[in-house]
Amino acid sequence: RKEVEQDPGPFNVPEGATVAFNCTYSNSASQSFFWYRQDCRKEPKLLMSVYSSGNEDGRFTAQLNRASQYISLLIRDSKLSDSATYLCVVNIPTGNTPLVFGKGTRLSVIA
Amino acid sequence: GAVVSQHPSRVICKSGTSVKIECRSLDFQATTMFWYRQFPKKSLMLMATSNEGSKATYEQGVEKDKFLINHASLTLSTLTVTSAHPEDSSFYICSARDEQATNTGELFFGEGSRLTVL
Repeated sequence: RKEVEQDPGPFNVPEGATVAFNCTYSNSASQSFFWYRQDCRKEPKLLMSVYSSGNEDGRFTAQLNRASQYISLLIRDSKLSDSATYLCVVNIPTGNTPLVFGKGTRLSVIA
Repeated sequence: GAVVSQHPSRVICKSGTSVKIECRSLDFQATTMFWYRQFPKKSLMLMATSNEGSKATYEQGVEKDKFLINHASLTLSTLTVTSAHPEDSSFYICSARDEQATNTGELFFGEGSRLTVL
């Protein structure tokens, strides 16, 4: 089983739609979880951290289910500018290891 | 927020030459930096962890003599692709944590360097 797995998509949705991405991770000792956004040919940028209680930032809502080792990202009222690849990222807490990235889910918001 | 700068952003070279990529943390010190490689439509693959003042730690399958890493100061790490070949063509991205920040899980990325070996 891969450390971090995501549905690669692409998700093609109309403007205004609600879209949800899922991600599973294999290491039950993982402690930190993030969603990064990567635009084409650009570096990844942090979208939001994922907290145990779930958290919301505007149109974006992140959820964590430790029992199922599952993370989700919900985008409401999609905008054209939301088109990007969304990377699920997990901190594997063994030594000074960096983050482990999923392959990303590609989203295209269509007018 | 913290900024990581990477240079050059794009380089085209002939097969057999060596290419150096620089990664700088601009407003924080980073004892550790990470070098990733990304193929088209693929995720980031960790190549190595760069440690200030000591040897880099390479991931399995990454040739240390091929990808030389030097972390000479707390704000600068360099990756040198030696004797580059077309299969080395890729997007190379460095990253670092601001170890003084409260959210120490967050990584800041350089802008990436797109290497094309002819």
